[in-house]
Amino acid sequence: DTGVSQDPRHKITKRGQNVTFRCDPISEHNRLYWYRQTLGQGPEFLTYFQNEAQLEKSRLLSDRFSAERPKGSFSTLEIQRTEQGDSAMYLCASSPRDSSITPLHFGNGTRLTVT
Amino acid sequence: SQQGEEDPQALSIQEGENATMNCSYKTSINNLQWYRQNSGRGLVHLILIRSNEREKHSGRLRVTLDTSKKSSSLLITASRAADTASYFCATDARGGSYIPTFGRGTSLIVHP
Repeated sequence: DTGVSQDPRHKITKRGQNVTFRCDPISEHNRLYWYRQTLGQGPEFLTYFQNEAQLEKSRLLSDRFSAERPKGSFSTLEIQRTEQGDSAMYLCASSPRDSSITPLHFGNGTRLTVT
Repeated sequence: SQQGEEDPQALSIQEGENATMNCSYKTSINNLQWYRQNSGRGLVHLILIRSNEREKHSGRLRVTLDTSKKSSSLLITASRAADTASYFCATDARGGSYIPTFGRGTSLIVHP
């Protein structure tokens, strides 16, 4: 069972640079979620996809953030012109169907540090 | 915004003791889930309880749900040092998109 895979695990960047993270969900999971987690807090919802369609975005997702899931498989999350406040763990999760009774399967996250 | 709020924020116990964590939420829900997170890792699903259920067991875990009080509890019996982790409840609002909303979590330390 290959779980949710995220790459890279860690990213250190300078303020103002662009970064892109990748998430490979569990095969055939049609829902994919991005969450952000800061130290001592729970995950905060950013956006989710059903297949290739981005169905909902949080108000946390400013114009500098963009997410794609071009073929309904892997997804990328890009942050442009990074700010120090973007430093966080970015978590990806997937679930097998559009149902409220299936749990999320999380990757181990990408930890972003903006200096 | 975070729908669920766990209590306590931190819990420190000795191996063999029971650990109880509570979660309160604000709106009507379809279900409530508990997740565990080891430091620097992703979350792992532990147990799901539906809104029409009152209690559920899984191994050393026992979850209760009181929809009238909008609260849930997670009990870990006979704790082990390996149970040291953060525990989060997640809810999805009834009638909304299925987007699990997480609380701030309880940090559990089990001393060997």
